[in-house]
Amino acid sequence: AQTVTQSQPEMSVQEAETVTLSCTYDTSESDYYLFWYKQPPSRQMILVIRQEAYKQQNATENRFSVNFQKAAKSFSLKISDSQLGDAAMYFCAYHTGANNLFFGTGTRLTVIP
Amino acid sequence: GAVVSQHPSRVICKSGTSVKIECRSLDFQATTMFWYRQFPKQSLMLMATSNEGSKATYEQGVEKDKFLINHASLTLSTLTVTSAHPEDSSFYICSARRQARGGKNIQYFGAGTRLSVL
Repeated sequence: AQTVTQSQPEMSVQEAETVTLSCTYDTSESDYYLFWYKQPPSRQMILVIRQEAYKQQNATENRFSVNFQKAAKSFSLKISDSQLGDAAMYFCAYHTGANNLFFGTGTRLTVIP
Repeated sequence: GAVVSQHPSRVICKSGTSVKIECRSLDFQATTMFWYRQFPKQSLMLMATSNEGSKATYEQGVEKDKFLINHASLTLSTLTVTSAHPEDSSFYICSARRQARGGKNIQYFGAGTRLSVL
């Protein structure tokens, strides 16, 4: 069964500092895609970053980057130079292309001014 | 980026009435859309997968007669909560899958609908 685990229900970071959110997953598939979604207080789900499992290079999007460890089935999100607008729920998610997204339980990130 | 419009954003209804929620993909065709339910401080729970021109596939434990899904066109899926009761009060989110080359499908989400049943 596919599962996505986020072991940190809550995290906090000082503004301008760096924070890393953890995510592990379990799958028997060899080809799949990983995502981080952000859900701010407006509750709109926003795609932050995605990673194809067949790519060894870690994805980056401006201040957001991932550490993808395929053998360990780990997919952490690093947010650099944290901003107040980064405060939100962050969901790690996975799919194999044909099926739907499987979501983790989420991590609530607080940014301290 | 791709935009998914969900309407209404909030609805309050009396117990026993039916409520329809619309989900539209504005700048791409979506053969597959998804409906999620989110309880406070929890993750998204998939309710059903909506396929254009065919019956929706419901997840285990989701009553298909309670939550009617229609995907009549490539840009519109609707969720109707029939005979709503207070326990149906929740946040409902739709998502449309945009197919890209090489199977790199991406799901884009609507802004959600907060349903309150009195």
